Order: sequence, then structure tokens, then C-alpha cells
Amino acid sequence: GAGVSQTPSNKVTEKGKYVELRCDPISGHTALYWYRQSLGQGPEFLIYFQGTGAADDSGLPNDRFFAVRPEGSVSTLKIQRTERGDSAVYLCASSELGYRADTQYFGPGTRLTVL
Amino acid sequence: AQRVTQPEKLLSVFKGAPVELKCNYSYSGSPELFWYVQYSRQRLQLLLRHISRESIKGFTADLNKGETSFHLKKPFAQEEDSAMYYCALNQFYFGTGTSLTVIP
Repeated sequence: GAGVSQTPSNKVTEKGKYVELRCDPISGHTALYWYRQSLGQGPEFLIYFQGTGAADDSGLPNDRFFAVRPEGSVSTLKIQRTERGDSAVYLCASSELGYRADTQYFGPGTRLTVL
Repeated sequence: AQRVTQPEKLLSVFKGAPVELKCNYSYSGSPELFWYVQYSRQRLQLLLRHISRESIKGFTADLNKGETSFHLKKPFAQEEDSAMYYCALNQFYFGTGTSLTVIP
């Protein structure tokens, strides 16, 4: 079956603009995760959804970052007033149940560049 | 705080030599530990998790609670093992990764 997909694959924007990044998880997976990966670093946790609700959003760096998953499948990560420091690869992953021991299936990522 | 440390950013070994990628974690409870791998131009994927106690592509990892470690090992490295390896703790916490190069 289809894996996790993310769109767009690349996004270039100007400082101060608003961007939306989309994630389509594996069908039937209840848990969805967003990570940010900067050059030379590992994935950094942002937010975790269990169904439609954000079960843990402790990784969101500030209130410019927001994510939704209104129907429990597709999720959108929204970044307001982008800054150059937001430039990174944004990864999405999904897992079947969201347990600590669950395998996460990753998407290919969206490379965000803020000029 | 929960944290994963991978002390080696780069590791090179010759084909056929043993390889060990180090991972140490910080967590006061009972951890769930994973190794994820990213091959060139591919997405991040699970290699193995400690709960399964399985060997994947010849790799094994043993949880040592006393040393808070989960090192990844393979007795004979292959060229196709060249990749980026990430250790992960409890779903959310990833190390900075080790880039493994197997020299032919």
C-alpha cells in the first residue's frame, strides 16, 4: 500500500510569509507525528496526534507553529511569520496505534527554505 | 529529561570488519528503544526495535539498562550498510545520528 506522503517536497518562501505543509499518513494509522530536522541533526519532535486531537504538542517551538488533523487522517503544519531559522526538513510519520513501542513510518519530508 | 546521545557523527569501517554504532540514553523509566536507518535518497525507516529482540540485515542491538546503552552491532559490515543511523527513545527522542561508511 501507499506509504506516508508529504507535499510539497520543497517550499521556498520569504521571511514573514505564512506556509502550510501537508502530510497524508498511512490509511488506518491513528497516530501522526511531526518532526523538524536541521542540517546535521536528528529529527526533533514537534507534535503528536492521536486521532483528531493533539496528544502532545510540547515540541512546538513557539506560537507561530500550529498543526491540525481535523478528520483524523491528513494533517497540516502551519507556520506563521516565517523566520530564516525555520529553514529545515519537516518530517511527518504515522504509526498504527501510537504506543511508545510502535514503529513509525516516515514520509519523504518537506524541505522548507526561508529567504 | 529524555535524551539520546550518539557520540560518533562519522564512522568508517572496511567491508567484512565488525561495526558498532554507539547509543546512550537518559530516561528514568523503562525505555522503548529503536534504531532507524536512512539510506541515500531514501526516507527514514525502522531497522530494529529492542522489544522485538530480532536481527535485521545482520544487525543486533542489546539494551543494557545498567549502562543505559543500546549499541547497534554487526559482525561483518557490507557496502550496502553505508547509511545514516539514528537511535531513538520512546517514540519522540532521536539522537543526532551516525553516518556509517563501509569501505570496499
